[in-house]
Amino acid sequence: GAGVSQSPSNKVTEKGKDVELRCDPISGHTALYWYRQSLGQGLEFLIYFQGNSAPDKSGLPSDRFSAERTGGSVSTLTIQRTQQEDSAVYLCASSLVGQGGNTEAFFGQGTRLTVV
Amino acid sequence: AQSVAQPEDQVNVAEGNPLTVKCTYSVSGNPYLFWYVQYPNRGLQFLLKYITGDNLVKGSYGFEAEFNKSQTSFHLKKPSALVSDSALYFCAVRDKRAGGFKTIFGAGTRLFVKA
Repeated sequence: GAGVSQSPSNKVTEKGKDVELRCDPISGHTALYWYRQSLGQGLEFLIYFQGNSAPDKSGLPSDRFSAERTGGSVSTLTIQRTQQEDSAVYLCASSLVGQGGNTEAFFGQGTRLTVV
Repeated sequence: AQSVAQPEDQVNVAEGNPLTVKCTYSVSGNPYLFWYVQYPNRGLQFLLKYITGDNLVKGSYGFEAEFNKSQTSFHLKKPSALVSDSALYFCAVRDKRAGGFKTIFGAGTRLFVKA
């Protein structure tokens, strides 16, 4: 597609339920990132995938959070047993490899998650 | 570990005046540095980046930024602000030596340009 696509755009869920957020990166972009943006806060790094390398999961806030990337393209971020503090906008981005990571990221519109 | 500081939550300037949005960073190696902008109800957009070479980098919409290694800064500047520049600006850093793609963002600075 023309840009990074995320779905759903909005998700309201009850506390304790599991949610899945989807990201479809730009075709040909082998690096994919997930960030979280809470109200009034900056972007919090969650995880990134690069090609077939092991993902860098160092930003995942707890073991309730997980992500996978199938076939080097679409990625799913899963939050289990959601809590109210998980409410935020979840942003996905993708980029080309470039040389040693010198490429900029292209962001999707985000998924606004509200846990009630 | 990488970190980015944007010391100002908000910057106010009058239209036509120069603007500066500050950013300082910390990495163990050499940095790749980025600026992104988030307009209301729109996604983040890339503005400019420093990779190597000339310390003054020019980007979209007339913005530029100067890499200062001794001060570990990468301030965003524009000679003449427009009302349409009002947005949320993020500085980001990636550690070149780490060789990966982990990019850390600052907390953001909201720019208000008054007519």
